[in-house]
Parts: sequence; C-alpha cells; structure tokens
Amino acid sequence: KAGVTQTPRYLIKTRGQQVTLSCSPISGHRSVSWYQQTPGQGLQFLFEYFSETQRNKGNFPGRFSGRQFSNSRSEMNVSTLELGDSALYLCASSFQDPAVNEQFFGPGTRLTVL
Amino acid sequence: SQELEQSPQSLIVQEGKNLTINCTSSKTLYGLYWYKQKYGEGLIFLMMLQKGGEEKSHEKITAKLDEKKQQSSLHITASQPSHAGIYLCGADTGNQFYFGTGTSLTVIP
Repeated sequence: KAGVTQTPRYLIKTRGQQVTLSCSPISGHRSVSWYQQTPGQGLQFLFEYFSETQRNKGNFPGRFSGRQFSNSRSEMNVSTLELGDSALYLCASSFQDPAVNEQFFGPGTRLTVL
Repeated sequence: SQELEQSPQSLIVQEGKNLTINCTSSKTLYGLYWYKQKYGEGLIFLMMLQKGGEEKSHEKITAKLDEKKQQSSLHITASQPSHAGIYLCGADTGNQFYFGTGTSLTVIP
C-alpha cells in the first residue's frame, strides 16, 4: 500500500505570493490533517478534513485554508505569504479519526519564503 | 489548551546506553502517541497508549502512561545510531491534535 505523498517536496516563494500544497492520503483513508513545523513553534495543528468537510481547525489566520476532494486528496493554500510562513508542512492521513486511528505522515513540503 | 512538555530537550548518549524521554501534560491524557522524526522528514508512528498504567514495547523501545494519565515516558534500551532523531509525543483533545516540544536524540557510535 502506498504511503502518504506530498507535492512538491520543496518550494521557494517570495513575500506576498500565494502557494498551494498537495497531499494524497493512503488509499482508504478519509481523514487528512495538516501541520506546520518550525524551529520556534514546533509542530502545530492547522486543520483536519474528513469527507470533504473541515472537521477541526487550529489557531492560524485565515490566510491558511484547505480543502479536500471526493477522492480524499487534500490541498492547503496559503495566501499573502509572510517570512514567518517558512516551515515544513506535514500532512497526515488516518482511516477515520486521528484520535483513535493511527496517523500516517507524509514526507512534508519545505516552504521557504524570501 | 492542551500543553505537552518534553524533557530533556536534547540528549547525547553513547551507543549501548539506556535513556528515557518524558512527556508531561497539563491535562489528563485520553490517548498519548509517540512518534519519531528524522530531521526534515515526516513522522513515524511508534506507539499509542490509552489506559493509565499501560505499557507497550517494540523492539528496544518501551513506552508507559502513568496511572494518573498525565505523564508518559519513552525508554530506549541499549541505544543504537539508528535510534537517533527527534522524538515527539502527541495527544488529541477531541478537536485538535497537539504535539510535544520534541526531544532530539544523538547516539554516538
């Protein structure tokens, strides 16, 4: 069974631009969660999608948004990029609920904002 | 909000030594997860603990959740260079998944 895949793996953008990151979950998994990891803040929860609906959301500004498609693939969008958005963005999938089902993580997308 | 503090923040041990990493929660834990991360990569699931007093082992790694369910420890026996990485504990509050501050482990051959 293929693991969680994330594209692209590396991305360089400039301030003010927008970016879209993609995540393909493990086949059969319906929950996709997104996390931001930075040296200063550690690993922080962005949001979780289940069956095309945002089920939970962390404490991030509205510039961070996401969506999930009918095949469970998910995208995350960050608009008006700021230097502080430079981070490793991780996506995780689980069967139904990350609270009771193991989360499987992708390799991450490293975003650098110049 | 749930807070997970890990200690120590970093650890450097000689190969073959035992070590323990702690994860302390500000609230009662209803599920505690341990993950390992190689620098700049995704997380690898190690173990999940749910019941107070529960202990699980996988190869040379043992994790335990204390009776009061507010602290967990991860113990590595006879450490190897392959154990090097960042260890993270995580917990779900019902509407958000939190991660601990992380412990960086270096194993010197």
